Amino acid sequence: AQTVTQSQPEMSVQEAETVTLSCTYDTSENNYYLFWYKQPPSRQMILVIRQEAYKQQNATENRFSVNFQKAAKSFSLKISDSQLGDTAMYFCAFMKHENTGGFKTIFGAGTRLFVKA
Amino acid sequence: DTGVSQDPRHKITKRGQNVTFRCDPISEHNRLYWYRQTLGQGPEFLTYFQNEAQLEKSRLLSDRFSAERPKGSFSTLEIQRTEQGDSAMYLCASSLGSQGSYEQYFGPGTRLTVT
Repeated sequence: AQTVTQSQPEMSVQEAETVTLSCTYDTSENNYYLFWYKQPPSRQMILVIRQEAYKQQNATENRFSVNFQKAAKSFSLKISDSQLGDTAMYFCAFMKHENTGGFKTIFGAGTRLFVKA
Repeated sequence: DTGVSQDPRHKITKRGQNVTFRCDPISEHNRLYWYRQTLGQGPEFLTYFQNEAQLEKSRLLSDRFSAERPKGSFSTLEIQRTEQGDSAMYLCASSLGSQGSYEQYFGPGTRLTVT
């Protein structure tokens, strides 16, 4: 069974600084998808960034980028120029295509990020 | 595009009662997911629909839980004989079925409290 581990329950960063959130996962699959989702306080979860396992190039979305190390099964998120609005829970997620034709997504326990003014 | 909606937003029920939640996905999305999230934890996968077909169901899901998606549009999640351990936020998400579109759009959730 797949597992997703986020080893940092809480982190803080000063506004305008850079922070990296860690995620490791365990799978025997070769084709899968990885995501970082953001859940602001009392608000809906939204996608931050995604990475297809078959792509070697690391995904970037504006201030957000990932370091995808497939062999090490590591998928960290780097937030540059942190803003107060980045304060949220961040979840790493793993998704693969099941034999049934369906999808199953496994989320990590999350990292609570505080951006300080 | 009005986003994913869920109803009700909050539900308080007594142990042993049945409850039903509704999820309306984004209209053109044919994939629909249900999750359960307890405080301080990540969402736990419950079930997955592609159109009206329920293709995946968590082995952790008790027989007291059932989900439907008639006609491939809205979905309902029913919990029978609720227990205090069922207290959680129930999240629904949908995604587009086209190749490469795996981003899930989440609803606001239904918070269930079992007393």
